[in-house]
Amino acid sequence: GDSVTQMEGPVTLSEEAFLTINCTYTATGYPSLFWYVQYPGEGLQLLLKATKADDKGSNKGFEATYRKETTSFHLEKGSVQVSDSAVYFCALSDINTGNQFYFGTGTSLTVIP
Amino acid sequence: DAGVIQSPRHEVTEMGQEVTLRCKPISGHDYLFWYRQTMMRGLELLIYFNNNVPIDDSGMPEDRFSAKMPNASFSTLKIQPSEPRDSAVYFCASSLSGAGTDTQYFGPGTRLTVL
Repeated sequence: GDSVTQMEGPVTLSEEAFLTINCTYTATGYPSLFWYVQYPGEGLQLLLKATKADDKGSNKGFEATYRKETTSFHLEKGSVQVSDSAVYFCALSDINTGNQFYFGTGTSLTVIP
Repeated sequence: DAGVIQSPRHEVTEMGQEVTLRCKPISGHDYLFWYRQTMMRGLELLIYFNNNVPIDDSGMPEDRFSAKMPNASFSTLKIQPSEPRDSAVYFCASSLSGAGTDTQYFGPGTRLTVL
């Protein structure tokens, strides 16, 4: 079945450091891929998405490229800020399974000044 | 748009009591999802609706849980009787369609504590 695997946390970085959070997926069809962010005490918010192979999603300095050959959708940011401290979730949605989302376990990021 | 609205934001109850969580999806969205989030199990899909009809409730943990969607603008998740292991944050989300490419929009969640 469909699933998402993302790197374990927590991740602690200094401000302005480079961020990579790895995400790989398994899907039977042609999924859409998403990154969601959850700030403390809040619900999940869409950060970016990509709906087909080689698409790059980007938002707020974050980027992720849909790599079909490696079944990956790694999240990157060139220079993190303290305000990026949150939990990041990778997810996929496969039209073959309706609009059901499959979420990864989440990666907690703390950015220190 | 106001986004997905959930109430209450916090609920503290005693074991054995009935708990009702409420959700108002974004207007015009055809799909509604209920999730539960815990430290141990992460984010779990409980049930989802399409045009007010339950499509998949295989994630509902047991018969103590029930969900309804009487109209396009309102859904409830009920736990009766509640148990301490039900303590979690419950999220409602909605999406425009089931195309597979659509974003799910999450509410702020209800933090449930069962004593």
